[in-house]
Amino acid sequence: NAGVTQTPKFQVLKTGQSMTLQCAQDMNHNSMYWYRQDPGMGLRLIYYSASEGTTDKGEVPNGYNVSRLNKREFSLRLESAAPSQTSVYFCASRDSGVSNEKLFFGSGTQLSVL
Amino acid sequence: QKEVEQNSGPLSVPEGAIASLNCTYSDRGSQSFFWYRQYSGKSPELIMSIYSNGDKEDGRFTAQLNKASQYVSLLIRDSQPSDSATYLCAVTKSGGSYIPTFGRGTSLIVHP
Repeated sequence: NAGVTQTPKFQVLKTGQSMTLQCAQDMNHNSMYWYRQDPGMGLRLIYYSASEGTTDKGEVPNGYNVSRLNKREFSLRLESAAPSQTSVYFCASRDSGVSNEKLFFGSGTQLSVL
Repeated sequence: QKEVEQNSGPLSVPEGAIASLNCTYSDRGSQSFFWYRQYSGKSPELIMSIYSNGDKEDGRFTAQLNKASQYVSLLIRDSQPSDSATYLCAVTKSGGSYIPTFGRGTSLIVHP
């Protein structure tokens, strides 16, 4: 059981380049999330998807777009990367229901923008 | 003021001692409270959840919730070097969105 799979694990971009971070989960979860983690800042929500076909902005959405391609996949796109987007990105998923609030995280993508 | 506040630490305790990690939150309507552990270079993993006032114990871990004072704490008894990690407090607001807000995390170091 793979859980939540993120690709790539590492990426270096130049300012202005674009890229897409991929995330897929095999647990049949409805909700998926993208967080970024910066030193001393904890996890900050970029976008989330409560169910297939829906997406909503989180705390820090500027400079990002997302696509919930199907129930399994939730991608995060940087259209024009900036040094301020250097961070570690985590995708997470959650099953639906009041008693299922545990987040399952992927292994993360370390992104550097030069 | 950040919605979920934690002392960044590091908190250093000797092996075998009790480690006490604290977290305060600003939204009085918050419903669910979580502690995630994150080892260096790894992703967070849930270790405790608590929903009502009082204590909840799971092995060496005890979560404590006081909604009137808006704080939640995590006690780790008989601390081991393998407990050395960053502990993230997360809070879910009322309203059914189930979107946890995370604190900045407290770094715990357990030295032999």
